[in-house]
Amino acid sequence: QSALTQPRSVSGSPGQSVTISCTGSSSDVGGYNYVSWYQQHPGKAPKLMIYDVSGRPSAVPDRFSGSKSGNTASLTISGLQAEDEADYYCCSYAGSNTFVFGGGTKLTVL
Amino acid sequence: EVQLVESGGGLVQPGGSLRLSCAASGFTFSMYAMNWVRQAPGKGLVWVSRIKSDGNSIGYADSVKGRFTVSRDNAKNTLYLQMNSLRVDDTAVYYCTRDYEGLAYWGQGTPVTVSS
Repeated sequence: QSALTQPRSVSGSPGQSVTISCTGSSSDVGGYNYVSWYQQHPGKAPKLMIYDVSGRPSAVPDRFSGSKSGNTASLTISGLQAEDEADYYCCSYAGSNTFVFGGGTKLTVL
Repeated sequence: EVQLVESGGGLVQPGGSLRLSCAASGFTFSMYAMNWVRQAPGKGLVWVSRIKSDGNSIGYADSVKGRFTVSRDNAKNTLYLQMNSLRVDDTAVYYCTRDYEGLAYWGQGTPVTVSS
């Protein structure tokens, strides 16, 4: 159960697009289409942004999108806004009723 | 409205035990798998345990296997986490989450501090 690998930080200017990667293995990300992404602002509970690789809850803006290729999943945020500045975590099902999170990525909106 | 309210956290000495509870409301609790996720101070999210809707399928992170036990009472709409042999590195905020199309609902968390 090794944590998924995410970049520690990414940044972008308002209006730009950023992509956060999440690399695992064939035992988790590559083996299941159950990758989800969470946004967390300081002192708050995490918020689901993407489920099942590319599904988006109705309340999440369509500026947020997810994808997967092999053992790497990605979260893309287009049209960056100031309120997007937060920590982002990926999570994957890893079989046998287990999940694994990534280490988290701090997004800075310049 | 879906609500998850954790309780039972607190300060405990290394080697001690705590039982966390998560009271669920606003949905049919017995139909959903539930998870515990924790977050140490200043650190990232770490998945801890999952229990399916009927309580018969359970998974644990390696770091807590053999020490933590997840359970649920569908009649009381409550999820539990029995934590034994607690270690300093178990110090974290513990969240319960509902599992369906991602972890869509989270409680506000209950803090656990393991310290002498």
